Amino acid sequence: AQSVAQPEDQVNVAEGNPLTVKCTYSVSGNPYLFWYVQYPNRGLQFLLKYITGDNLVKGSYGFEAEFNKSQTSFHLKKPSALVSDSALYFCAVRDIGGGSYIPTFGRGTSLIVHP
Amino acid sequence: GAGVSQSPRYKVAKRGQDVALRCDPISGHVSLFWYQQALGQGPEFLTYFQNEAQLDKSGLPSDRFFAERPEGSVSTLKIQRTQQEDSAVYLCASSSPSGGITDTQYFGPGTRLTVL
Repeated sequence: AQSVAQPEDQVNVAEGNPLTVKCTYSVSGNPYLFWYVQYPNRGLQFLLKYITGDNLVKGSYGFEAEFNKSQTSFHLKKPSALVSDSALYFCAVRDIGGGSYIPTFGRGTSLIVHP
Repeated sequence: GAGVSQSPRYKVAKRGQDVALRCDPISGHVSLFWYQQALGQGPEFLTYFQNEAQLDKSGLPSDRFFAERPEGSVSTLKIQRTQQEDSAVYLCASSSPSGGITDTQYFGPGTRLTVL
C-alpha cells in the first residue's frame, strides 16, 4: 500500500522569505515522489520528481525538494517566495517496488505568499 | 499538440443525464490516466490506458462510469445517469512515449462537471 500526507492545509509566508511545504509518505518498496502545483481553474503542473540519486532535487520556478528516507519525507522548498507562487501544491507517491503506475496524491497545501 | 487538452472545460448536467468528457493527450504519449478531483481534495485515480488497452479501471466508482481509448490516442470518459455526487473536476493526464513506470504525467486543465 502507498500513502502520502500533507499535514498543513495552508502555509502563509511573506514575500522574499523562504518557504517549506511538508510531505510525508509511506510505501512498502522504493518511493517515486513528485510535486505538482495547481493554479485556480487549471490542471496540475509538474514541478519536480525524485526517483533515485541525489537527495536534493531541483525543479521548475526555483523550487527544490529534499528526500529524507529515514524521516520518509519529501518537503518542497524555495529560498525566496514570490507572490506569484501562491497556489495549491500537491505531493504524490508511487511505490516503484510494487510496479504500480498509479500515484497517490495528498490532499494539497494552499500556499499564500503575502506582499 | 503542445499539451494535454480536455473538452468541454465546464459541463452542467441535470441528474440522470449522460455526459461524455474528452481528453486529447500529448502526441505520441503511450499512457493515459483519468482522475476525479473533488472540491478541496487531491486527484483520485479512476482508470489507466496503455495505448488502446485499459489496464486498470479499479478506481471507477460505479458501473455508470465507462472510459475508452479506441485508437490509442483520444480518450472519452462517459458517465451514465449522472448523480449529484459525480460533481467534481475530471482530470486527464498522459505520460511520455516510453510508457515506463517512472515517466512524468502531464495533466490537462480538467473538466468541471456540475450535476444539478
